[in-house]
Amino acid sequence: NAGVTQTPKFQVLKTGQSMTLQCAQDMNHEYMSWYRQDPGMGLRLIHYSVGAGITDQGEVPNGYNVSRSTTEDFPLRLLSAAPSQTSVYFCASSPQKKTEAFFGQGTRLTVV
Amino acid sequence: KQEVTQIPAALSVPEGENLVLNCSFTDSAIYNLQWFRQDPGKGLTSLLLIQSSQREQTSGRLNASLDKSSGRSTLYIAASQPGDSATYLCAPNFGNEKLTFGTGTRLTIIP
Repeated sequence: NAGVTQTPKFQVLKTGQSMTLQCAQDMNHEYMSWYRQDPGMGLRLIHYSVGAGITDQGEVPNGYNVSRSTTEDFPLRLLSAAPSQTSVYFCASSPQKKTEAFFGQGTRLTVV
Repeated sequence: KQEVTQIPAALSVPEGENLVLNCSFTDSAIYNLQWFRQDPGKGLTSLLLIQSSQREQTSGRLNASLDKSSGRSTLYIAASQPGDSATYLCAPNFGNEKLTFGTGTRLTIIP
């Protein structure tokens, strides 16, 4: 029962570097999303997808790109990392929008 | 603006006690509300999903209630155990594309 799998679990980047955070789910869920969690703040939505080939911006999309070529995978790309992107990133999936969400274990990213 | 507040931010209780965690939200037009637990350095585990048409939802020792008119939800934990120690997050869905999260209540059960 894998559920939502995120890789890597930890990552350190230098300012200006790019990288991709991977997210895969094996529940055949249509809806997938990315959140970031910062101290003292609730989780905030970065990008989301309602199905393969369809993505849209959340409330904090700047500096991030996403794509959804398959139902299973929803990678998050940091184009040019900045210290303000130091955070814990969570991927989530649900059968449809507004149904029960299931979260991955998170990726802790530090940008120096 | 849709906001979610969880008070207190931290709570310590002796093992065996029943306890209530509170969640309040500013928009009564919610679609559903989900309660999660988060262990340190871990992901979010879904505990209960309560639909806007429901007043209560139960799973084992957990019971979530929802009062849309007053903008409140509570999570009741019966007979608390040390393994219940975690941060508990509530997250309403206001009918759009996202969950809106509170900052959580950090619960410590004292053996």
